[in-house]
Order: sequence, then structure tokens, then C-alpha cells
Amino acid sequence: QKEVEQNSGPLSVPEGAIASLNCTYSDRGSQSFFWYRQYSGKSPELIMSIYSNGDKEDGRFTAQLNKASQYVSLLIRDSQPSDSATYLCAVIRFNKFYFGSGTKLNVKP
Amino acid sequence: NAGVTQTPKFQVLKTGQSMTLQCAQDMNHNSMYWYRQDPGMGLRLIYYSASEGTTDKGEVPNGYNVSRLNKREFSLRLESAAPSQTSVYFCASSVLGNDQPQHFGDGTRLSIL
Repeated sequence: QKEVEQNSGPLSVPEGAIASLNCTYSDRGSQSFFWYRQYSGKSPELIMSIYSNGDKEDGRFTAQLNKASQYVSLLIRDSQPSDSATYLCAVIRFNKFYFGSGTKLNVKP
Repeated sequence: NAGVTQTPKFQVLKTGQSMTLQCAQDMNHNSMYWYRQDPGMGLRLIYYSASEGTTDKGEVPNGYNVSRLNKREFSLRLESAAPSQTSVYFCASSVLGNDQPQHFGDGTRLSIL
């Protein structure tokens, strides 16, 4: 079983809609959770971090963490074509990083 | 503030050649990492250095060696390049801790013929 699982997509949403990206992790000892955005041909860029259960909002982005269900999600409100990218979920457990393989998001104008 | 700098950005090698990928960070981070990214495979950890003077194997270390030259620099060496090592290589750094994100360089695109 992989440490971090993501649906590879692609997830297609129309411009202005809410995009919902999901991630599950296998170990309850995971301590910190991150979302990275990676444009094609570019490096991963940190967009959100979340450490405790609940929601964390930053502009159009909301990260949600449910440790009981071992589930992290990223909501992107008012999706724009510029949000089209691959989104990587990452977790830390005992100082080690584990990345999911990413979900490709396409936002259609 | 440059962050994490990788050199070179592109490289083409012939099978059997050797080369060293360079990485330097100016954020005073303790930990540094080397990943490779292949289509559909996500990021795979090759080696990491939790702190200056230490290095450890990651998920896919075979065919690679690393050197943590000092706190700023962490290099990745391919001793005898193979076509299977064609990939995009990313260096990352972070503060040591269970709540600290990694910051990535721009990557090195390596092709081995």
C-alpha cells in the first residue's frame, strides 16, 4: 500500500466551478500535510499546509484534514484556467516526506 | 533570494558517461533531498541528507551517489549513466522538523542516449 494515494485524474471542471482534490494516507502517525501545485515542465510549488483537523482557508484555496478518516482534501473555489496543473499531496511522518503521484486538474474556459 | 538552485538545467549524456548534478540552497536549511520524477510515477526520493554530515538512501538509490559538501550544497552523481536514468531531477531543502515543508529547485532535465 502506498503511503499517499491520489486519483491521477484528469479532473476537469468548468471555469468558475469548485475543484475538489482528494488524498488519503496510510499511516495514522502522519503529522503534517501539504499541497503542492506543479505546472507542466516546472517544479512543485507549495500552496497550502495543514496540521490539525478541520479547514484552513487561504484565498480561493481551502485545505481540509480529517485524521480519523486519514483524508486530506484541497478545494479551489472560482477555478481559473491558470489553476490547470498537477496537484501533489504530501505528508510528513517522523521527519520523512511522502508524496502522492498527483492529480491533474484541467479548468476549461 | 535565490532559494534552491540547480545546475545544469538540461543535460544529454551517452550511456556509460558520468556526471554530477549540483544543488545549492541559501535558506539556511538543515535538510536536503534529491528526487527523480518520471511520467506517471510521481516524485521518488533518491537520497536525502537530514543534516550536514549525514546522508541516507531513499526509495531508488541504485546507480547514484551523493555528497553533502556543506550546509548549503548537496550533489548527486551518476557514475555510469544508463538510459533508465533519463528523468527530471529535483533538489529540495527544508528546515528539519515534522511541520516544515520542502522547497524545490527548478529541476535538471537529463537525457541518456
